[in-house]
Amino acid sequence: GAVVSQHPSWVICKSGTSVKIECRSLDFQATTMFWYRQFPKQSLMLMATSNEGSKATYEQGVEKDKFLINHASLTLSTLTVTSAHPEDSSFYICSARTLGLGAYEQYFGPGTRLTVT
Amino acid sequence: QKEVEQNSGPLSVPEGAIASLNCTYSDRGSQSFFWYRQYSGKSPELIMFIYSNGDKEDGRFTAQLNKASQYVSLLIRDSQPSDSATYLCAVTNTNAGKSTFGDGTTLTVKP
Repeated sequence: GAVVSQHPSWVICKSGTSVKIECRSLDFQATTMFWYRQFPKQSLMLMATSNEGSKATYEQGVEKDKFLINHASLTLSTLTVTSAHPEDSSFYICSARTLGLGAYEQYFGPGTRLTVT
Repeated sequence: QKEVEQNSGPLSVPEGAIASLNCTYSDRGSQSFFWYRQYSGKSPELIMFIYSNGDKEDGRFTAQLNKASQYVSLLIRDSQPSDSATYLCAVTNTNAGKSTFGDGTTLTVKP
């Protein structure tokens, strides 16, 4: 149990275009979802936290107008990278958490590798 | 000072040895502690969690927690080359609803 999927697993886009990444909890209801970014050989960087039905809370330094997060249901959150540029190329990972599992553990999706050309 | 501190490594151990990974945290209100494993190019996967002081064993893995010392560790017995990965410590203050990850320790198990 506790499976999180992400789609797409990789995407290549041209500079200036927008890219949407989906994160789904497949067998549990995710009260909270998290979006991380990770550059090669660097640690996870939390971008934002979203609770179902609420606006996302962004970490300091993350542009909310550039990284649009929607958590419309208990099983789906989306991250849209708007007007992507090469410096946005990174590994984007979502994770989901539910109080029902009792311990605040987070389950990670497989990640989406974004390359902006 | 970071909220969750881990030695970045790399930690290198020979195959069959015990690998010891350490983590300290600053928030005394933390109640739940997690270890994740991340292979290169992959996302993290949960391998252990512990809530109470003492040891918790799961196969070759043992998590140890000492809340008074604000210290949590992961021991990997009979280390295998397939254990080579980055291990992330995560600490959660459930009252605050906040989870904080360390930067990870890279482990290399040499055949």
